[in-house]
Amino acid sequence: EDKVVQSPLSLVVHEGDTVTLNCSYEVTNFRSLLWYKQEKKAPTFLFMLTSSGIEKKSGRLSSILDKKELFSILNITATQTGDSAVYLCAAVITGNQFYFGTGTSLTVIP
Amino acid sequence: ETGVTQSPTHLIKTRGQQVTLRCSSQSGHNTVSWYQQALGQGPQFIFQYYREEENGRGNFPPRFSGLQFPNYSSELNVNALELDDSALYLCASSYGATPGYGYTFGSGTRLTVV
Repeated sequence: EDKVVQSPLSLVVHEGDTVTLNCSYEVTNFRSLLWYKQEKKAPTFLFMLTSSGIEKKSGRLSSILDKKELFSILNITATQTGDSAVYLCAAVITGNQFYFGTGTSLTVIP
Repeated sequence: ETGVTQSPTHLIKTRGQQVTLRCSSQSGHNTVSWYQQALGQGPQFIFQYYREEENGRGNFPPRFSGLQFPNYSSELNVNALELDDSALYLCASSYGATPGYGYTFGSGTRLTVV
Protein backbone atom coordinates (compact mmCIF):
# COMPACT_ATOMS: atom_id res chain seq x y z
CA GLU A 1 0.00 0.00 0.00
CA ASP A 2 1.33 3.41 -0.97
CA LYS A 3 1.98 5.64 2.01
CA VAL A 4 3.68 8.83 3.08
CA VAL A 5 4.67 9.37 6.71
CA GLN A 6 5.65 12.70 8.22
CA SER A 7 7.34 13.34 11.53
CA PRO A 8 7.03 14.83 13.98
CA LEU A 9 3.26 15.25 13.95
CA SER A 10 3.60 18.53 15.82
CA LEU A 11 6.37 20.80 16.94
CA VAL A 12 6.54 23.90 19.13
CA VAL A 13 9.65 26.08 18.88
CA HIS A 14 10.77 29.59 19.78
CA GLU A 15 11.42 32.29 17.24
CA GLY A 16 14.92 31.99 15.87
CA ASP A 17 15.13 28.22 16.25
CA THR A 18 15.94 25.92 13.34
CA VAL A 19 13.58 23.05 12.59
CA THR A 20 13.81 19.93 10.46
CA LEU A 21 10.67 18.26 9.22
CA ASN A 22 10.79 14.71 7.92
CA CYS A 23 8.90 12.92 5.17
CA SER A 24 9.35 9.26 4.26
CA TYR A 25 7.52 7.57 1.44
CA GLU A 26 6.76 4.13 0.12
CA VAL A 27 4.99 4.42 -3.21
CA THR A 28 5.09 2.65 -6.53
CA ASN A 29 6.08 4.54 -9.68
CA PHE A 30 7.45 7.52 -7.80
CA ARG A 31 7.89 10.68 -9.86
CA SER A 32 8.49 13.57 -7.48
CA LEU A 33 8.14 14.83 -3.93
CA LEU A 34 6.36 18.08 -3.16
CA TRP A 35 6.23 20.24 -0.04
CA TYR A 36 3.33 22.53 0.79
CA LYS A 37 2.51 24.99 3.57
CA GLN A 38 -1.09 25.04 4.78
CA GLU A 39 -2.06 27.93 7.03
CA LYS A 40 -5.84 27.97 6.89
CA LYS A 41 -7.28 26.21 3.91
CA ALA A 42 -5.42 26.38 0.60
CA PRO A 43 -2.00 24.65 0.66
CA THR A 44 0.66 26.81 -0.94
CA PHE A 45 3.50 25.31 -2.95
CA LEU A 46 7.01 25.34 -1.48
CA PHE A 47 9.25 22.87 -3.34
CA MET A 48 9.22 20.16 -5.95
CA LEU A 49 12.03 17.59 -5.73
CA THR A 50 12.79 15.01 -8.38
CA SER A 51 16.51 14.32 -8.06
CA SER A 52 18.43 12.98 -5.09
CA GLY A 53 20.94 15.10 -3.27
CA ILE A 54 20.14 18.43 -4.88
CA GLU A 55 19.13 20.98 -2.28
CA LYS A 56 16.44 23.46 -3.15
CA LYS A 57 16.39 26.76 -1.28
CA SER A 58 13.99 29.61 -0.92
CA GLY A 59 14.97 32.17 1.66
CA ARG A 60 15.10 30.48 5.05
CA LEU A 61 13.57 27.26 3.73
CA SER A 62 15.45 24.44 2.09
CA SER A 63 14.68 20.87 1.16
CA ILE A 64 16.45 17.80 -0.13
CA LEU A 65 15.41 14.38 -1.39
CA ASP A 66 17.07 10.99 -0.89
CA LYS A 67 15.61 8.56 -3.41
CA LYS A 68 17.71 5.67 -2.14
CA GLU A 69 16.47 5.93 1.44
CA LEU A 70 13.04 7.22 0.32
CA PHE A 71 12.82 10.36 2.40
CA SER A 72 12.94 14.09 2.23
CA ILE A 73 13.57 16.82 4.79
CA LEU A 74 12.41 20.39 4.98
CA ASN A 75 14.58 22.77 6.97
CA ILE A 76 13.50 26.15 8.25
CA THR A 77 16.17 28.36 9.79
CA ALA A 78 15.64 31.41 12.01
CA THR A 79 11.96 30.57 12.42
CA GLN A 80 9.40 33.36 12.67
CA THR A 81 5.83 33.36 13.98
CA GLY A 82 4.65 33.57 10.37
CA ASP A 83 6.11 30.12 9.78
CA SER A 84 3.42 28.63 12.04
CA ALA A 85 1.40 26.31 9.81
CA VAL A 86 0.90 22.70 8.82
CA TYR A 87 3.60 21.48 6.45
CA LEU A 88 2.53 18.78 4.04
CA CYS A 89 4.63 16.58 1.83
CA ALA A 90 3.23 14.64 -1.10
CA ALA A 91 4.69 11.88 -3.22
CA VAL A 92 3.56 12.03 -6.82
CA ILE A 93 3.27 8.81 -8.79
CA THR A 94 2.63 8.00 -12.43
CA GLY A 95 -0.91 9.01 -13.26
CA ASN A 96 -0.36 12.25 -11.38
CA GLN A 97 -1.82 10.97 -8.14
CA PHE A 98 -0.59 12.79 -5.08
CA TYR A 99 -0.13 10.87 -1.83
CA PHE A 100 -0.04 13.35 1.03
CA GLY A 101 1.28 12.73 4.50
CA THR A 102 -0.68 13.73 7.57
CA GLY A 103 1.39 16.86 7.93
CA THR A 104 3.56 18.40 10.63
CA SER A 105 1.94 21.15 12.65
CA LEU A 106 4.56 23.78 13.46
CA THR A 107 3.95 26.44 16.08
CA VAL A 108 6.52 29.21 16.51
CA ILE A 109 6.15 31.19 19.71
CA PRO A 110 7.67 34.65 20.21
CA GLU B 1 -5.85 35.51 -4.21
CA THR B 2 -5.02 32.02 -5.49
CA GLY B 3 -6.91 32.19 -8.79
CA VAL B 4 -8.82 28.98 -8.04
CA THR B 5 -12.26 29.58 -6.61
CA GLN B 6 -14.50 27.05 -4.94
CA SER B 7 -18.13 27.26 -3.97
CA PRO B 8 -19.80 27.09 -1.62
CA THR B 9 -17.32 27.75 1.20
CA HIS B 10 -19.39 25.90 3.76
CA LEU B 11 -22.21 23.40 3.45
CA ILE B 12 -24.29 21.30 5.82
CA LYS B 13 -26.09 18.24 4.48
CA THR B 14 -28.03 15.35 5.94
CA ARG B 15 -26.89 11.75 5.67
CA GLY B 16 -28.23 10.17 2.46
CA GLN B 17 -28.45 13.44 0.56
CA GLN B 18 -26.49 14.37 -2.54
CA VAL B 19 -24.12 17.33 -2.87
CA THR B 20 -22.40 19.18 -5.72
CA LEU B 21 -19.25 21.19 -5.15
CA ARG B 22 -17.85 23.58 -7.75
CA CYS B 23 -14.38 24.68 -8.75
CA SER B 24 -13.30 27.37 -11.19
CA SER B 25 -9.76 26.76 -12.33
CA GLN B 26 -7.13 29.43 -12.64
CA SER B 27 -7.06 31.18 -16.01
CA GLY B 28 -5.02 29.18 -18.52
CA HIS B 29 -5.24 25.93 -16.54
CA ASN B 30 -6.83 22.87 -18.15
CA THR B 31 -6.46 20.28 -15.38
CA VAL B 32 -8.40 20.04 -12.15
CA SER B 33 -7.79 17.62 -9.28
CA TRP B 34 -10.03 17.07 -6.27
CA TYR B 35 -8.96 16.15 -2.75
CA GLN B 36 -10.71 15.25 0.49
CA GLN B 37 -9.04 16.45 3.68
CA ALA B 38 -10.48 15.12 6.94
CA LEU B 39 -9.69 17.00 10.13
CA GLY B 40 -6.10 16.48 11.17
CA GLN B 41 -5.25 14.51 8.05
CA GLY B 42 -3.48 15.25 4.80
CA PRO B 43 -5.48 15.68 1.59
CA GLN B 44 -6.48 12.44 -0.13
CA PHE B 45 -6.62 12.33 -3.92
CA ILE B 46 -10.13 11.73 -5.28
CA PHE B 47 -9.65 12.18 -9.03
CA GLN B 48 -8.22 14.40 -11.73
CA TYR B 49 -9.78 15.79 -14.90
CA TYR B 50 -7.67 16.77 -17.89
CA ARG B 51 -9.35 18.32 -20.91
CA GLU B 52 -12.77 17.12 -19.76
CA GLU B 53 -11.72 13.47 -19.28
CA GLU B 54 -11.03 11.67 -16.00
CA ASN B 55 -7.26 11.20 -15.84
CA GLY B 56 -6.62 9.28 -12.66
CA ARG B 57 -8.65 8.27 -9.63
CA GLY B 58 -7.86 7.55 -6.02
CA ASN B 59 -9.42 5.00 -3.71
CA PHE B 60 -12.91 6.48 -3.51
CA PRO B 61 -16.21 4.71 -4.19
CA PRO B 62 -18.27 5.39 -7.33
CA ARG B 63 -20.68 7.63 -5.42
CA PHE B 64 -17.91 10.23 -5.79
CA SER B 65 -18.12 11.45 -9.36
CA GLY B 66 -17.04 14.49 -11.27
CA LEU B 67 -17.28 16.55 -14.40
CA GLN B 68 -15.10 19.03 -16.18
CA PHE B 69 -16.64 21.57 -18.52
CA PRO B 70 -15.29 23.11 -21.75
CA ASN B 71 -14.16 26.17 -19.79
CA TYR B 72 -12.21 23.73 -17.53
CA SER B 73 -14.27 24.43 -14.44
CA SER B 74 -15.25 21.31 -12.56
CA GLU B 75 -17.84 19.77 -10.28
CA LEU B 76 -17.52 17.10 -7.61
CA ASN B 77 -20.70 15.19 -6.91
CA VAL B 78 -21.19 12.95 -3.91
CA ASN B 79 -24.28 10.76 -3.64
CA ALA B 80 -25.71 9.02 -0.60
CA LEU B 81 -23.72 11.13 1.83
CA GLU B 82 -22.25 9.43 4.88
CA LEU B 83 -21.10 11.00 8.13
CA ASP B 84 -17.48 10.19 7.23
CA ASP B 85 -17.79 12.38 4.14
CA SER B 86 -17.53 15.39 6.44
CA ALA B 87 -14.27 17.06 5.40
CA LEU B 88 -12.63 19.95 3.60
CA TYR B 89 -12.81 19.38 -0.15
CA LEU B 90 -9.99 21.02 -2.08
CA CYS B 91 -9.57 21.41 -5.77
CA ALA B 92 -6.32 22.26 -7.51
CA SER B 93 -5.76 23.38 -11.06
CA SER B 94 -2.73 23.25 -13.30
CA TYR B 95 -1.74 23.57 -16.93
CA GLY B 96 -1.27 20.05 -18.21
CA ALA B 97 -1.32 16.93 -16.12
CA THR B 98 2.23 17.41 -14.80
CA PRO B 99 2.13 18.27 -11.12
CA GLY B 100 4.23 20.64 -9.12
CA TYR B 101 4.85 24.09 -10.45
CA GLY B 102 1.68 26.02 -11.12
CA TYR B 103 -0.42 23.52 -9.21
CA THR B 104 -2.72 25.95 -7.41
CA PHE B 105 -5.16 25.00 -4.68
CA GLY B 106 -8.45 26.69 -3.94
CA SER B 107 -9.52 27.54 -0.41
CA GLY B 108 -11.86 24.57 -0.24
CA THR B 109 -15.43 23.73 0.64
CA ARG B 110 -16.10 22.64 4.22
CA LEU B 111 -18.78 19.93 4.07
CA THR B 112 -20.51 18.79 7.23
CA VAL B 113 -22.80 15.76 7.08
CA VAL B 114 -25.20 15.39 9.99
